[in-house]
Amino acid sequence: GAVVSQHPSRVICKSGTSVKIECRSLDFQATTMFWYRQFPKQSLMLMATSNEGSKATYEQGVEKDKFLINHASLTLSTLTVTSAHPEDSSFYICSAKRTGYQETQYFGPGTRLLVL
Amino acid sequence: AQKITQTQPGMFVQEKEAVTLDCTYDTSDQSYGLFWYKQPSSGEMIFLIYQGSYDEQNATEGRYSLNFQKARKSANLVISASQLGDSAMYFCAMREGMIKAAGNKLTFGGGTRVLVKP
Repeated sequence: GAVVSQHPSRVICKSGTSVKIECRSLDFQATTMFWYRQFPKQSLMLMATSNEGSKATYEQGVEKDKFLINHASLTLSTLTVTSAHPEDSSFYICSAKRTGYQETQYFGPGTRLLVL
Repeated sequence: AQKITQTQPGMFVQEKEAVTLDCTYDTSDQSYGLFWYKQPSSGEMIFLIYQGSYDEQNATEGRYSLNFQKARKSANLVISASQLGDSAMYFCAMREGMIKAAGNKLTFGGGTRVLVKP
């Protein structure tokens, strides 16, 4: 199966700092990756669609200047939470589809962000 | 309106028994796909099974089967012979519209927590 990694798995930061989360497809190329956010005991909410070589597409209500997405290559997308605040504390999870294969999306293991 | 509805917030199931997790969906598209994912306490999302809107037969993957009733817009997951390791959150998700080469965004239901009792 396709493998997606995320780094870091956990991060604790001070309010006001920026945090970068990496999402990598390890054994396949992904022209599109997706970033989700999950609050405790809730479902996944799509934040944005990350497109290789072009701007990300953000869902309604998601601040693009707050959550910067860069899809620099066919195997790497990054999400940067800028000027993080305690309300940004959440579980961030990415997914990727193996281009040319069946449409199943494969998810990374997620990143737990705690902003103090 | 909710696009994906999972009406069971939590369920207990006895080990070795079967359990059915409900999922109903709402879409006006003719082409769509339905997915089930498992999320253990570690947080990772594990793909279980997929059903396309044009698939005539219900999808099966090992102990997982999908009871697809298109007219009722339901896509229930059946887990047979439950194991202790099946204890987790289960999410139903939908892809609307034609499949894109690069990938389609998914909409998730609220999830059902399953606890398998020994």
